[in-house]
This record gives sequence, structure tokens and C-alpha cells, in this order.
Amino acid sequence: GENVEQHPSTLSVQEGDSAVIKCTYSDSASNYFPWYKQELGKRPQLIIDIRSNVGEKKDQRIAVTLNKTAKHFSLHITETQPEDSAVYFCAAHGRSQGNLIFGKGTKLSVKP
Amino acid sequence: DAGVIQSPRHEVTEMGQEVTLRCKPISGHNSLFWYRQTMMRGLELLIYFNNNVPIDDSGMPEDRFSAKMPNASFSTLKIQPSEPRDSAVYFCASSLQGGDQQYFGPGTRLTVT
Repeated sequence: GENVEQHPSTLSVQEGDSAVIKCTYSDSASNYFPWYKQELGKRPQLIIDIRSNVGEKKDQRIAVTLNKTAKHFSLHITETQPEDSAVYFCAAHGRSQGNLIFGKGTKLSVKP
Repeated sequence: DAGVIQSPRHEVTEMGQEVTLRCKPISGHNSLFWYRQTMMRGLELLIYFNNNVPIDDSGMPEDRFSAKMPNASFSTLKIQPSEPRDSAVYFCASSLQGGDQQYFGPGTRLTVT
């Protein structure tokens, strides 16, 4: 079945810097890759997603890139702000499965 | 739409007691998922349903855990008997189809003493 690896597990950046979180997946049939943000004490919420027919998607300060050949995808946050501090989860969905497989999460801390 | 609804939001119980967590998915969603989240193990999928039918329960840790979905608008996760190691936040999520964006409920924080 699908396996998703996420790195790093923790990431600390200065306000204004960029942050990059990387994930790899094992199922070459995977076709949907969402990213969730979970603030302390709250539920995970979708911030951006990408499907396998595109290589990059951007929404303001957030972008996701997908390399199908290498089977990895990344989340890029530019001009980070303290409110970006949270745990970020990547996930992958493969045609062979009916659910999303989540990475272990990355705790991002943005220092003012 | 009110989103995914879970109850109770907090539950404190003693070891050995039965615990029932409840979830109402978003209307029209065909898939429902139960997750458990702890610091040590992260976000774990326990079980998921498609059209009220359990599809994969391989994440259910033990026979003490059971889940039902009697209709499209209601699901329960039951732990009997509960143990301190069951203490966690339990999330319910729903999606239109199994591989689509999942919408999470607010979670139930369970503490077993």
C-alpha cells in the first residue's frame, strides 16, 4: 500500500524567511496530494492541494510542487509570519486505495 | 453547512468504562473516517466507511474498539473497556468520495484515568 514520508519533523525559521517541507510517496498510482495545517488544539484544515496532472500550484504565499518521476512533493511558504506556526501534514491518495495516507507532520515555528 | 459535528468535545472517564464517540458527517458526503491523534503516534487512521459500509478497519488497534455507521448521517466509535493508553484526540472526517479532500470535525479529547 501507499507510504508517505515527511521531512523535516520540526522546522524553525525567522519571520520573513521561506519554509520548505518535503514528502515522498511510494505508490506511483497516487494522483491527489493535499496539505493540511493544524494549529495547536484545533483540527487539521486543508490549505492547498495538487493533482497529478499538474506540476505546481500557488496560492498567495503558499505553493506546492509535484515531481511524479521522483515521487515527491513539497510545500513552500514564502515570507513566513508568526501565524504560520503550526503542524503541517502532507497526504497522498492512490487509485488503489480509498483513503488518504498522511505523513507524520512537520512542526513549523516562525520566530518574530 | 455546519461542517462535521462531533460529540462530546471532551470526555474524561475511568479505566474499564465504555466510551462512545459520535460523528455527523457533512450532508452529501459518502465517505467517513475516524482518526486518533497522539504526540507519540501522530495522526492514525482507525477505520473508514464508504456509503455506510466499513471498507478498511486495519487501523483499529484492538477488539476493544468498534465503529458503526447505521446511516449516512451518523457514526459512532466505541471503546469497551477503555484503558489509559486510549487517551488521545479522536477526529472524525468526511469527504465526497474516498480520495477527495477530507473535512475534519473539531475532535473529541478523551482522557482515561
